Amino acid sequence: QEKVQQSPESLIVPEGAMSSLNCTFSNSASQSIWWYQQHPGKGPEALISIFSNGNKKEGRLTVYLNRASLHVSLHIRDSQPSDSAVYLCAVSLSYNQGKLIFGQGTKLSIKP
Amino acid sequence: NTKITQSPRYLILGRANKSLECEQHLGHNAMYWYKQSAEKPPELMFLYNLKQLIRNETVPSRFIPECPDSSKLLLHISAVDPEDSAVYFCASRSGTGTNERLFFGHGTKLSVL
Repeated sequence: QEKVQQSPESLIVPEGAMSSLNCTFSNSASQSIWWYQQHPGKGPEALISIFSNGNKKEGRLTVYLNRASLHVSLHIRDSQPSDSAVYLCAVSLSYNQGKLIFGQGTKLSIKP
Repeated sequence: NTKITQSPRYLILGRANKSLECEQHLGHNAMYWYKQSAEKPPELMFLYNLKQLIRNETVPSRFIPECPDSSKLLLHISAVDPEDSAVYFCASRSGTGTNERLFFGHGTKLSVL
């Protein structure tokens, strides 16, 4: 059974600073790793995904994937109050026909 | 996200029967029901692809999914239990393989009395 662990559980970051979130997964055959953002009372919204080792940058977001250590991180540059939300790491397994396994989430709060 | 609509938005039930509805206007072939309990991540309940049930996770038999066409998904609930109190999200999927991406509706919050 795939396990997805996120850290920290919660994070408070000053406005304008860098926010860094971590995720580890248990299956090296994982197809893609996604980061979802969930605001209170809303459904999760896909932000960015990565498949290959290395990093991927989209706007203020950068993700780093290290398959050898089964670790992925999300970094949000110039954090804004609107970035305050729960961030869910999700792993897609190649043999699971589209099933996403979610981590328990990191609650990010940006202080103005 | 107004392209995946769910109804009702809120549902308060005793031991009654009710159906949740979902419709997606994205042209996707795969649709999902996820359950999210308080302070927990979403957990997959059912997955349909081209109207065929592909995965049926360990879900109590009182939950019965139905896919009348590729853009609609229903979840019939009978004799709900307090442990069923949660938000139920409908989602649809675009792409395949490494490009798979899920789009979620706003959810139906079920409260069991």
